Amino acid sequence: NFVLTQPHSVSESPGKTVTISCTRSSGSIALNYVQWYQQRPGSSPTIVIYDDDQRPSGVPDRFSASVDPSSNSASLTISGLQTEDEADYYCQSYDSSSFVVFGGGTQLSVL
Amino acid sequence: VQLVQSGAEVKKPGESLRISCQGSGYNFANYWITWVRHVPGKGLEWMGKMDPSASYPSYSPSFEGHVTMSADTATSTAYLQWSSLKASDTARYYCARHTDRSSTGWLDPWGQGTLVTVSS
Repeated sequence: NFVLTQPHSVSESPGKTVTISCTRSSGSIALNYVQWYQQRPGSSPTIVIYDDDQRPSGVPDRFSASVDPSSNSASLTISGLQTEDEADYYCQSYDSSSFVVFGGGTQLSVL
Repeated sequence: VQLVQSGAEVKKPGESLRISCQGSGYNFANYWITWVRHVPGKGLEWMGKMDPSASYPSYSPSFEGHVTMSADTATSTAYLQWSSLKASDTARYYCARHTDRSSTGWLDPWGQGTLVTVSS
C-alpha cells in the first residue's frame, strides 16, 4: 500500500496564494485520481477538487489543483485567500484494491 | 442528496453500539457508503465501505474484526457497529457516499458525523 504525505500546516495572509502538496510514497500519482476535501472547524468534510483537477459546482475558481508525475505529487492551490478558507485540507486517492487512502491533512491558517 | 446520521452516544468500555446513516434524495442501493473515523486533533481515517445492494462490506485492515458494517435498503440506512467498545474508539464517525457506482469516485455528500464517547 502507499501513503499520501501532506505538510502538517501552512499559513498565509489574506489575498495571497497558498499551495498544499500531497506526495504519494509508492506507485505513480497518476495511477488513481486525487481528490481534495475541505473541513472547516466543527463541520463535515466537503469536496473542493475531484479527479485531480475538477472543481465541483459551487466551489470558487480560486481553488485549483494539479498532479505532477515527476515529483509524484498532487497540489491544491488557493488564490486570493479569504479568512473563510481557514480549514483542514485532505487529499485522497485509491489503492489497487479500491481502498480509500487519505493524506494526513494540512491545517491552513489565514492570518 | 443527503446523509443524516444518528445522534451522539456515550458508552462504557465493553459495551456494544450501533450508529446509523440514512440516505435520501437518491437510490440508496446504487452507491457505496464509506465510513471514516476522525479523532479530535488527528486526521481522517478510512474504516471501510459497504455496498448497500449486496450488504457487502470491504474493511480497512486497520479496522477489520473490530467493527461491522451493514445496510438496509428498505430504510436507506447504513450501520456501523461495535460489539465491545474501547476508550480508543472515542471519535467522531462520518459516513459518506461514493459518487461512482463502482465504489470509487469522490466522496459526496458526507453525513454530519456521530460523536462517540467511550469512558468509564
